[in-house]
Amino acid sequence: DAKTTQPTSMDCAEGRAANLPCNHSTISGNEYVYWYRQIHSQGPQYIIHGLKNNETNEMASLIITEDRKSSTLILPHATLRDTAVYYCIVRRGRFGAGTRLTVKP
Amino acid sequence: EAQVTQNPRYLITVTGKKLTVTCSQNMNHEYMSWYRQDPGLGLRQIYYSMNVEVTDKGDVPEGYKVSRKEKRNFPLILESPSPNQTSLYFCASSLRMVGPLHQPQHFGDGTRLSIL
Repeated sequence: DAKTTQPTSMDCAEGRAANLPCNHSTISGNEYVYWYRQIHSQGPQYIIHGLKNNETNEMASLIITEDRKSSTLILPHATLRDTAVYYCIVRRGRFGAGTRLTVKP
Repeated sequence: EAQVTQNPRYLITVTGKKLTVTCSQNMNHEYMSWYRQDPGLGLRQIYYSMNVEVTDKGDVPEGYKVSRKEKRNFPLILESPSPNQTSLYFCASSLRMVGPLHQPQHFGDGTRLSIL
């Protein structure tokens, strides 16, 4: 049963890149890696997903290691509005506690 | 506008009084799901539905019921609410959740339930 491990919290300076790691060493070959974020108590918001290739969209980049056991979400130029809890999931419905990212001025 | 709508947004009620939280999506999504969120525990899945008339238990289904009679609606029913069901609840939907074309979930704004 694929499970993810993320740091509890991280800080980042405004304007700098935020790199959020996720470990998913038990991921299956056909399971995607999804990233969501939750600002305050709002509904989680989808950010990006990938299978084995690196992905980029207007919000972020996703780097997945070749063995697929870990990934990193990159917010290239973090702003104060990126302060949120970030969730990495590989199995439908299994969100975990996520990483609380605080972007500081 | 594509959205997942939950009602009510807030509810305070008493132990044992049946309640229903409605969830509706206007995106013709096959997959729908309910989560609860408690401090320090993240989101935990209660029930999910892969399509009409197909529902399955998630990680924390005890004390809850669901139904999926039509594609757009997925109500969460608490037949006899108890204080340990006080929580923030989210409904989510996705176009599909299996196969190479599975899509991310869209979440509602949440329902905050307080059971006294």
